[in-house]
Amino acid sequence: ELKVEQNPLFLSMQEGKNYTIYCNYSTTSDRLYWYRQDPGKSLESLFVLLSNGAVKQEGRLMASLDTKARLSTLHITAAVHDLSATYFCAVARFTNNMRFGAGTRLTVKP
Amino acid sequence: DTAVSQTPKYLVTQMGNDKSIKCEQNLGHDTMYWYKQDSKKFLKIMFSYNNKELIINETVPNRFSPKSPDKAHLNLHINSLELGDSAVYFCASNSLRERGKTDTQYFGPGTRLTVL
Repeated sequence: ELKVEQNPLFLSMQEGKNYTIYCNYSTTSDRLYWYRQDPGKSLESLFVLLSNGAVKQEGRLMASLDTKARLSTLHITAAVHDLSATYFCAVARFTNNMRFGAGTRLTVKP
Repeated sequence: DTAVSQTPKYLVTQMGNDKSIKCEQNLGHDTMYWYKQDSKKFLKIMFSYNNKELIINETVPNRFSPKSPDKAHLNLHINSLELGDSAVYFCASNSLRERGKTDTQYFGPGTRLTVL
């Protein structure tokens, strides 16, 4: 069974600092997704990573994928308050049956 | 223009009642999904329909019955509601035709169901 683990589950950081969220998955997968969820809101797609070594960047967020290590990272550069949200990684294997990680609740403090 | 819409946004009901949640997408996608997000924010897929056919059916009680009248709609009917059904239910859609490219699932705003 495909399992997805995120860490940390809770992250409190200061504005201007850098940090990385990790997403490990248990079996071979062909797609990895990162989503953002603000409190009480829906999920917003951030990145889709399709191949080993894929790297995507949008603003202060950069996602990468290492399929051999079954690991994806979401790196936050110079955090700002607007990045406070819950970040989910999700993995799909051959089908559209996405398995989500437990989410990382990020709080950026001034 | 709302891409994926759900109604109602909030639903408060008594145990034992039957209720439905509706979902519509105007993105031209061929696949739709229902997810349940519990109080700890954990997201789990429940069902998926492709072109009105059920393709994913996770371990969900028989009290939950999805219905897809056409590709743009996927409704969720829940019988004999229980306290443990309280959660936020999200509808999502994407297109299997785009698999291998970016088959991102687009999520609706969610329906917060509270069973008293």
